[in-house]
Amino acid sequence: GENVEQHPSTLSVQEGDSAVIKCTYSDSASNYFPWYKQELGKGPQLIIDIRSNVGEKKDQRIAVTLNKTAKHFSLHITETQPEDSAVYFCATANQAGTALIFGKGTTLSVSS
Amino acid sequence: EAQVTQNPRYLITVTGKKLTVTCSQNMNHEYMSWYRQDPGRGLRQIYYSMNVEVTDKGDVPEGYKVSRKEKRNFPLILESPSPNQTSLYFCASSWTDQETQYFGPGTRLLVL
Repeated sequence: GENVEQHPSTLSVQEGDSAVIKCTYSDSASNYFPWYKQELGKGPQLIIDIRSNVGEKKDQRIAVTLNKTAKHFSLHITETQPEDSAVYFCATANQAGTALIFGKGTTLSVSS
Repeated sequence: EAQVTQNPRYLITVTGKKLTVTCSQNMNHEYMSWYRQDPGRGLRQIYYSMNVEVTDKGDVPEGYKVSRKEKRNFPLILESPSPNQTSLYFCASSWTDQETQYFGPGTRLLVL
């Protein structure tokens, strides 16, 4: 079945630095790639997503890039702030197209 | 306010005592799903439902049941809980499996 590998598992940056989280997937037919942010004590919340017909998407300080040939996609956060501290999950659809398969998560810590 | 609600938020029970975790959404979404979240394992899908009376197994369905009698409700049933079902559970809903999934606040379950 579909497998999603996410790296790194933990990431510590200084406020104002950039953070990059990378994911690789196994099913070349995947065409939907969301990123979720989970704050302490809350459920995951979608922050950005990309579909396979585009290579990059930006929303203010957040961007996602997709390389379908290499089967990997990345989350980029610029000018990080303490409130960016959270667990981030990448995901993609499974082969049957009936569910999202999530990476194991990256704990991002932004220190001021 | 558009939301997914879960009850209870916290539950301590004993092995073998049947329990139900309720999930309700007010967005008229057709797709609903249950996940469990364990340290270092990310989010794993338990069951999903594409619409009323249509449910199917996810990646880790053993020991769980669900029902979808109404569009808004998708309860998770543990008929004979065991300690390995101690986990953080999330319900989610969306228009389809490849659209934004809205997560509930989570239910933390401890089975003694």
